[in-house]
Amino acid sequence: DQQVKQNSPSLSVQEGRISILNCDYTNSMFDYFLWYKKYPAEGPTFLISISSIKDKNEDGRFTVFLNKSAKHLSLHIVPSQPGDSAVYFCAAYNNNDMRFGAGTRLTVKP
Amino acid sequence: GAVVSQHPSRVICKSGTSVKIECRSLDFQATTMFWYRQFPKQSLMLMATSNEGSKATYEQGVEKDKFLINHASLTLSTLTVTSAHPEDSSFYICSARPAGAYEQYFGPGTRLTVT
Repeated sequence: DQQVKQNSPSLSVQEGRISILNCDYTNSMFDYFLWYKKYPAEGPTFLISISSIKDKNEDGRFTVFLNKSAKHLSLHIVPSQPGDSAVYFCAAYNNNDMRFGAGTRLTVKP
Repeated sequence: GAVVSQHPSRVICKSGTSVKIECRSLDFQATTMFWYRQFPKQSLMLMATSNEGSKATYEQGVEKDKFLINHASLTLSTLTVTSAHPEDSSFYICSARPAGAYEQYFGPGTRLTVT
């Protein structure tokens, strides 16, 4: 039962443009959402998060948007840089239980 | 802050032997630690959740007698893969969550190869 879904396994973007990574969830009880970035052979690194009481959280080049009615969140990276190339996982929390999406591999081309 | 270490980073062992992986939160106390497994080109699979001083909660399909988890202190959790087989070869990642926080902080992972 995949409660958190990232339907795009990969995304390719030109350097300087916007990267938009999407995530959908099915459990309306999730109350906190996070994005992690992962390089090969390393553990994930926390990037940004958002509480279910908000619809937007911004941190530098990274902005997370939450649409609770659609059960959808997205991560915007602007401007995208080659160093942003990695796998991005979204995660959702419900009562001490965190579930990850399958990840989206972002490639930012110079 | 919020650094999590794992040791060893890589281990190669023979089939039938046991391997212990350590996970430490270096600059915070972690009431809860998590163990994940990642297969090539796949997502993180939660194996178990451990709370300090109590038994770990295993996810469905994860053999608790094969993957022994001990969370003896607020900064240390260990995963022991017992009687390892080649199919146990994988990338194992731990994470730790500070008390009262949502964020989990991940270790760098351990690459286990069973020959």
